[in-house]
Amino acid sequence: GENVEQHPSTLSVQEGDSAVIKCTYSDSASNYFPWYKQELGKRPQLIIDIRSNVGEKKDQRIAVTLNKTAKHFSLHITETQPEDSAVYFCAHAAFGNTGKLIFGQGTTLQVKP
Amino acid sequence: GAGVSQSPSNKVTEKGKDVELRCDPISGHTALYWYRQSLGQGLEFLIYFQGNSAPDKSGLPSDRFSAERTGGSVSTLTIQRTQQEDSAVYLCASSPGLAGLRETQYFGPGTRLLVL
Repeated sequence: GENVEQHPSTLSVQEGDSAVIKCTYSDSASNYFPWYKQELGKRPQLIIDIRSNVGEKKDQRIAVTLNKTAKHFSLHITETQPEDSAVYFCAHAAFGNTGKLIFGQGTTLQVKP
Repeated sequence: GAGVSQSPSNKVTEKGKDVELRCDPISGHTALYWYRQSLGQGLEFLIYFQGNSAPDKSGLPSDRFSAERTGGSVSTLTIQRTQQEDSAVYLCASSPGLAGLRETQYFGPGTRLLVL
């Protein structure tokens, strides 16, 4: 019940277009959903997160939506730029006395100039 | 301030040898996590510390893996009798330990372990 499926595994877009990455989880107790960006050879960094008491959160060109009924959440990047090229990981944390994050397999985003 | 640091950055060892990986969390962070990232894969949770205790060790793959944290700060992950399948990047993260642990985890640069 802890797994998270992430799609697509690779995504190539033209600069200026939008990119959408989707994740599906199975644990109905999950209540925290962060997204991490990992550039080649670097550490993962949080770009946005959402908690289960809201359905959408936006930060400039990045937005995350959460559908708790369907158990899926999505990352939306608008007006993509070449520097957005990286691997993006979704994750979720279940309710309980642990901060353990369960990560998706990652999406390699390539933004073509 | 300083971020999470890890050492060594790279470690090459022979099958059967023991290795120790070190993590220095952000000062004041009481929560510390170890994850493993195999090539082209997502991050796999290993263990979580709150202070010096480990309430969640559910991700440790076998009894060859152990971790400790002393003084509520530095943590070491030890892998005994290393196997080739242990080759991966081992990432450490820390967080303040508040907000019900639903808070940003800050990652270190990782230790790349290669077992020959």
